[in-house]
Amino acid sequence: GESVGLHLPTLSVQEGDNSIINCAYSNSASDYFIWYKQESGKGPQFIIDIRSNMDKRQGQRVTVLLNKTVKHLSLQIAATQPGDSAVYFCAEKEGSQGNLIFGKGTKLSVKP
Amino acid sequence: NAGVTQTPKFRVLKTGQSMTLLCAQDMNHEYMYWYRQDPGMGLRLIHYSVGEGTTAKGEVPDGYNVSRLKKQNFLLGLESAAPSQTSVYFCASSRVGEQYFGPGTRLTVT
Repeated sequence: GESVGLHLPTLSVQEGDNSIINCAYSNSASDYFIWYKQESGKGPQFIIDIRSNMDKRQGQRVTVLLNKTVKHLSLQIAATQPGDSAVYFCAEKEGSQGNLIFGKGTKLSVKP
Repeated sequence: NAGVTQTPKFRVLKTGQSMTLLCAQDMNHEYMYWYRQDPGMGLRLIHYSVGEGTTAKGEVPDGYNVSRLKKQNFLLGLESAAPSQTSVYFCASSRVGEQYFGPGTRLTVT
């Protein structure tokens, strides 16, 4: 079946630098995408979402970019902080009745 | 709002034992979900519900049953636990769109 994947399983960045986490999706019919953050021992926490009629959406220190042509999603974190250390998952969904399909996750480590 | 809560937080079962995991949400969400998460894996959907009294199978439903007798509660049952069901189980709820997750239940089957 269709699946959501990630380009890199781990990412290590220096505190204060910007982080970019990438995600490839294969279902061209997916029209809704979410990024989640999961800290150790906790449940996933919503970060930001984007619909397929947009190519960019900004939140507080985070930006999600969607490139439907190459079916690519990215999460940019500005001025990465130690508290950003976690596993980040992208997820895709097709239609209002579809279920979320999650990627395997990227572990972000922030070096002080 | 407590959001999504799960009980218990930890449990150890012997092979063949049964148990029920309880999920509760206070956001009046229609949709509820049960996922399992294994090391190095993403979340895999076990069962879900689109409303009170309804349930449906997800990606990995075998060995599990669910019930949604009340809108705010979603129960996940293991009738005869197997070591392959050792995992962390997450419940989530939503309207349409983003899902809100509980803190998880760590289950070990020996």
